[in-house]
Amino acid sequence: EAQVTQNPRYLITVTGKKLTVTCSQNMNHEYMSWYRQDPGLGLRQIYYSMNVEVTDKGDVPEGYKVSRKEKRNFPLILESPSPNQTSLYFCASSPQNGQGRYTFGSGTRLTVV
Amino acid sequence: GNSVTQMEGPVTLSEEAFLTINCTYTATGYPSLFWYVQYPGEGLQLLLKATKADDKGSNKGFEATYRKETTSFHLEKGSVQVSDSAVYFCALISNNAGNMLTFGGGTRLMVKP
Repeated sequence: EAQVTQNPRYLITVTGKKLTVTCSQNMNHEYMSWYRQDPGLGLRQIYYSMNVEVTDKGDVPEGYKVSRKEKRNFPLILESPSPNQTSLYFCASSPQNGQGRYTFGSGTRLTVV
Repeated sequence: GNSVTQMEGPVTLSEEAFLTINCTYTATGYPSLFWYVQYPGEGLQLLLKATKADDKGSNKGFEATYRKETTSFHLEKGSVQVSDSAVYFCALISNNAGNMLTFGGGTRLMVKP
């Protein structure tokens, strides 16, 4: 089944403790992206990657890092999480010419206390 | 820059009622327009799209028409069901922004039996 898999689904952590949210897709998509979803703000893009070893900032990149060492994986790293990063996170992928046809993961609900 | 504005929710309707969710956009170039749907506890799924002026996208009884003159892409359904309860996101891709989707804030629809 074609899908984007995120882990974990839920995570509660403490301020300053480094964490990684994994994202993997099995569709050989070139484009991958991370979004955060907050009430009233819709989805805001954090980082995206056009292909292996090519990443770029989205609208809200502060406090996050990503890497794209393999085509299928696009982890999101929070080096020193803070409470304002409490949110619902989505990973998405698309073919390079997908023209907006994204496949989304099921989401990771992160709480930073 | 690009932006998408949706009517604020929640929208509460009785089963079989007519649905309209308003969406307007600002974009440079000639955007493609989308509606995504997010069912409870899931990631977003593409519902329908339109790529040029006067195109009508349709799926699962939902439809939306790309109106360039009013920069709008309102979502409509003639008779909603309880199973349509979800959050609906309007989005766009502009041809000068690569593969990057810009989302509206989302509109929650609640359908009561």
